[in-house]
Formats: sequence, C-alpha cells, structure tokens
Amino acid sequence: KQEVTQIPAALSVPEGENLVLNCSFTDSAIYNLQWFRQDPGKGLTSLLLIQSSQREQTSGRLNASLDKSSGRSTLYIAASQPGDSATYLCAVRDYKLSFGAGTTVTVRA
Amino acid sequence: NAGVTQTPKFQVLKTGQSMTLQCAQDMNHEYMSWYRQDPGMGLRLIHYSVGAGITDQGEVPNGYNVSRSTTEDFPLRLLSAAPSQTSVYFCASRPTGGQQPQHFGDGTRLSIL
Repeated sequence: KQEVTQIPAALSVPEGENLVLNCSFTDSAIYNLQWFRQDPGKGLTSLLLIQSSQREQTSGRLNASLDKSSGRSTLYIAASQPGDSATYLCAVRDYKLSFGAGTTVTVRA
Repeated sequence: NAGVTQTPKFQVLKTGQSMTLQCAQDMNHEYMSWYRQDPGMGLRLIHYSVGAGITDQGEVPNGYNVSRSTTEDFPLRLLSAAPSQTSVYFCASRPTGGQQPQHFGDGTRLSIL
C-alpha cells in the first residue's frame, strides 16, 4: 500500500524567505506526483504535476523536484508572500491518487 | 467551463438519514472519484469510476454507494448516515490514459448529528 508522508506538518516563516516542503512515498512505481494548494474551507488547486519520467517542474516562483528512486519530492516556493499561506498537499498516482496529510504554511508579514 | 461541480456545499443530517452528494463535470473526463478529508489525515479514496457503468471501491467504501450512468455525473450515496461520516467530501475527475492532473470540486461539508 502506498504511504505518503509530508514533513513538517506546519511551518511558519517571515515574508521573503524561501519555503521548502517535503513529500516522501513508499512505492516508487508511480505515474506522476501532483502538488496541490488548499485554502481554509476551500477545495484543492493543482499547482504542479511532475510525470514519473521528469526530474522537476517549474511554474513562476514554484519549483518541484522528483526523485523516484528515493521516493521523495520537494516543493520550493521562492520569496514567500503572505498570500502563500495555505496547506500544501502532495499526491502520488499509481492506480489511484494517494495523499499526504499536508503541510500548513504561514507566511508572516 | 465549470469544471467539477459539487452540490450541496453544506449539509447537516441526523444519524440514520440517507442522502446523495452530487458531482458533475463538463470536461468529458472518463475517470471520476470521491474522497473524504478528515482533520490531520490525507484525502482518502471512497469509490472511483473509469467510465459510465463501471465503478470500484477505494480505501474506505463502507457505508457509501455510487453509480455512473453518464460520463458527466457521479453521485455518492450515504445509505444510513453515521457520525463517523462527518467529513468534507471531494469529487475529482481526469481523463483516462496519459498522465493528466486531477481536477477537484470545491467540496461538500457534511455533519452527521
């Protein structure tokens, strides 16, 4: 059974600092890995999708890396802003999508 | 383009009542799924469907039924609501084949008293 772990569970940083969010998974036989953002009381917004054959994916200030062999992905958010405050979820897809519990980020102004 | 639409957004039920959570997508996606999200836990898969007339169980299917009569709609039925089913429910869809991202609805917040 695929197990997805996100550490830390919560993170608080001052505005302008770079964010590093970690995701690990137990079974490397995946199709892809997806990072989502979830605001309180809201649904999931897809941020980045990394295919199993890719090493990284970038969108604006966001960069996600994938190391399948070690079962790890990292989401980097450069120059954080208060608007980046949210819960970030990673999910790996094998025959289904398996989610981590998320990292709740607070960016202090 | 509405994407994935879930109704209702909020619902309160009494133990033992039944209800149907609605999910519709207008992207012609074959794959649809239902998840529940509980505090401190990741989203857990309840049921999924790879196309009209085909459904299968996920991790936590007990107490829920689904059907898929059309490509667009994938309703989730609670047969006899229990307090343990208090949760936020998300519906998602994506194309089959290839490696496409999942699209999620805004969720239904369900409380069972």
